[in-house]
Amino acid sequence: ETGVTQTPRHLVMGMTNKKSLKCEQHLGHNAMYWYKQSAKKPLELMFVYNFKEQTENNSVPSRFSPECPNSSHLFLHLHTLQPEDSALYLCASSQDLKGLAGGNEQFFGPGTRLTVL
Amino acid sequence: GNSVTQMEGPVTLSEEAFLTINCTYTATGYPSLFWYVQYPGEGLQLLLKATKADDKGSNKGFEATYRKETTSFHLEKGSVQVSDSAVYFCALSFGNEKLTFGTGTRLTIIP
Repeated sequence: ETGVTQTPRHLVMGMTNKKSLKCEQHLGHNAMYWYKQSAKKPLELMFVYNFKEQTENNSVPSRFSPECPNSSHLFLHLHTLQPEDSALYLCASSQDLKGLAGGNEQFFGPGTRLTVL
Repeated sequence: GNSVTQMEGPVTLSEEAFLTINCTYTATGYPSLFWYVQYPGEGLQLLLKATKADDKGSNKGFEATYRKETTSFHLEKGSVQVSDSAVYFCALSFGNEKLTFGTGTRLTIIP
């Protein structure tokens, strides 16, 4: 596989369930991101990891718990979500966060469409 | 803080029409500017970018020019196709920092 892959593509869960989203990048990148895409809102950056270390948590509720075991994999663990958390969750990667010129080109996965009942 | 404002969608055009999607930004300094495109069922893909004033980014017949006087980066295409139907996002970043996105503009091209 090439690029950035995400699984599952669709997920329906109840408010008491625990589930995990998975992202894998095959680009040799060192930075990975989770975004939330809701209708009629700008993309919301949730978490940033650089060389497996979390560098940004954008005031995300604790019911979302990220994990980055290595530079190629990123997880988002979900627990006791609310219906308003229903959205498309996008993973992205970029070379890294150090010394890049010309802007930060990110490569996105296809997303996981999450529905919380 | 930094922000990006895009024209409200949805935009519906006939095939071969001229396209403009407006984008303006607010930032301290001179960021790099991007257009990303999201086709149905897919993630975002970089369409084009410009890293300094007066630069023109171009790809797949789309163009955008970095105008620092008007803090704008409008997306244009001379003749759109049905396959251009997608959501288009304008974004900015400073160096290697995070991207700041606009809300996206949904474009539908009818045959």
